[in-house]
Amino acid sequence: QVTLKESGPVLVKPTETLTLTCTVSGFSLSNARMGVSWIRQPPGKALEWLAHIFSNDEKSYSTSLKSRLTISKDTSKSQVVLTMTNMDPVDTATYYCARMITYYYDSSGYKRDLGYFDYWGQGTLVTVSS
Amino acid sequence: DIQMTQSPSSLSASVGDRVTITCRASQSISSYLNWYQQKPGKAPKLLIYAASSLQSGVPSRFSGSGSGTDFTLTISSLQPEDFATYYCQQSYSTLTITFGQGTRLEIK
Repeated sequence: QVTLKESGPVLVKPTETLTLTCTVSGFSLSNARMGVSWIRQPPGKALEWLAHIFSNDEKSYSTSLKSRLTISKDTSKSQVVLTMTNMDPVDTATYYCARMITYYYDSSGYKRDLGYFDYWGQGTLVTVSS
Repeated sequence: DIQMTQSPSSLSASVGDRVTITCRASQSISSYLNWYQQKPGKAPKLLIYAASSLQSGVPSRFSGSGSGTDFTLTISSLQPEDFATYYCQQSYSTLTITFGQGTRLEIK
């Protein structure tokens, strides 16, 4: 059974650094077909992708937030960590982690890219306020 | 970055209606397009991946089509549990994932 669970502070002050942890089970962070992303959603607004980490430790970041984000993983602990610096009230949102299936091999043996999120955590609401 | 634009932003429909939601990419993304359903207070749920493949366990009244820049999600006969917000997501570039702004489907 695949699960992902976010943990971290519910309240942070402006200018502080947010650290969130995603603990996964039912799959390995070393599985080459899988990766984990962080995605957020301000109250009443749309989903916004933040960062992704692949099994080989390659990382990618949102262009607009790249300077503030760091993603990392500890495969032995089955955890993916996101840090976001210089928090602002506009960063108030529910933060999700989600598993991405990155590719598969078709019936002819060809590698086909995918990139969809098949399992999500329940999300954690982070409020930024003094 | 690739921009994803959904239309309409909101939609009112009745149980039993056929509904179509459109997603347009700012550049060609081949078939790297996924659809999600989100209900209030819940995480998104994958419906369709690779533009037209139905995720396991998702009812067959959901279908997806399109390639290049224009994509559609169709619900053939709306059920009460389908009233939710729907998002498209491009995975053409897994280095910069983007979502559409969402389409809220409401009961008429």
